Amino acid sequence: DSGVTQTPKHLITATGQRVTLRCSPRSGDLSVYWYQQSLDQGLQFLIQYYNGEERAKGNILERFSAQQFPDLHSELNLSSLELGDSALYFCASSALQGASGGDTQYFGPGTRLTVL
Amino acid sequence: AQSVAQPEDQVNVAEGNPLTVKCTYSVSGNPYLFWYVQYPNRGLQFLLKYITGDNLVKGSYGFEAEFNKSQTSFHLKKPSALVSDSALYFCAVRDKTDSNYQLIWGAGTKLIIKP
Repeated sequence: DSGVTQTPKHLITATGQRVTLRCSPRSGDLSVYWYQQSLDQGLQFLIQYYNGEERAKGNILERFSAQQFPDLHSELNLSSLELGDSALYFCASSALQGASGGDTQYFGPGTRLTVL
Repeated sequence: AQSVAQPEDQVNVAEGNPLTVKCTYSVSGNPYLFWYVQYPNRGLQFLLKYITGDNLVKGSYGFEAEFNKSQTSFHLKKPSALVSDSALYFCAVRDKTDSNYQLIWGAGTKLIIKP
């Protein structure tokens, strides 16, 4: 158990809908990262937050957004869902913002999103 | 540009034999290197990392990896494979001089250990 929790574990929804995925980082970790893993695209970095502020953006669609709250939990919002958004969405956390280099990311169990 | 290559989509090894999962990288500066393992329907688990110092890094579950700067490689190894080692393995790199701080991930290698 990494100490990172994600809810829900599974989510089934229809095209055009909006969903929110939730992540609670390990105790004391300030950084949260969101990743998308699909069969044909591998692991794709979406976005990183550090202590409530956006730190880096990866291949995140404009339909997707995220935030990190004062208690450091994070939410990933996916809107106008398309069939191709079906994937595993992982959250990871680390102690720092990555500047120390050796900062290790610890992953949650993921949320499996199915868009029908 | 930074990149990571895992040249083998799949590696098949007989139980009890040594295993190697290959990773090569390209960064402009010096690298931080990581290995993660993903079991079916699970999140990624951290195995080991190289930051500096000894080129041979030991990690969880009996795995080790050797940093080779001249060959820009960080291959994952285990002396004797177990069926339970069957999983998806990811290599990742971060350039020490890159202010973006992001990990660059390989595509993953599926390791299958046959009894």
